[in-house]
Amino acid sequence: GENVEQHPSTLSVQEGDSAVIKCTYSDSASNYFPWYKQELGKGPQLIIDIRSNVGEKKDQRIAVTLNKTAKHFSLHITETQPEDSAVYFCAASMSFGNEKLTFGTGTRLTIIP
Amino acid sequence: KAGVTQTPRYLIKTRGQQVTLSCSPISGHRSVSWYQQTPGQGLQFLFEYFSETQRNKGNFPGRFSGRQFSNSRSEMNVSTLELGDSALYLCASSPDSSSGANVLTFGAGSRLTVL
Repeated sequence: GENVEQHPSTLSVQEGDSAVIKCTYSDSASNYFPWYKQELGKGPQLIIDIRSNVGEKKDQRIAVTLNKTAKHFSLHITETQPEDSAVYFCAASMSFGNEKLTFGTGTRLTIIP
Repeated sequence: KAGVTQTPRYLIKTRGQQVTLSCSPISGHRSVSWYQQTPGQGLQFLFEYFSETQRNKGNFPGRFSGRQFSNSRSEMNVSTLELGDSALYLCASSPDSSSGANVLTFGAGSRLTVL
């Protein structure tokens, strides 16, 4: 089955700096890659996603890049703010919106004021 | 628009008991998925229901079961509870797999503690 690896497990950045989280996947059939943000006491919330026919997607301060050849994708957060502090999960699935997501192990991002 | 509602939010059980968790999806969403979240194993897929039928199943023992009702509400059941079943159980709903435009929306979860 699919395996998703996520790095780093923890990340601390100064407020205003950029943060990058990287994930690799194993199954070349995967074609949908969402990123979720989970705050304490809440369920994961989708922040951005990308499909395999696109190499990059941006939404304000958040961007995701996908390299299908290398089977890795990354989350980029620019101009970080204290409210960006949370746990971030990458995920992969094998068809558009297939609900069987395989998640990475998560990255705890801390923004230092 | 109300989000995904899970009940109860917290519960404590003892080994050997069974538990039922409930999930009300976003209105109009027909697919409901369940995930188990633990510090050690992370987020793991349990199963997915669509139109009252289980369409996908993860690698969990038969003690874990679920069902979906005609109004898309879903329940999951864990029988003969073990200490290792202590986890946050997350429900997620999505509109319709056939549209190819699905996004999973998660509820806040039901935190189960097994003593």
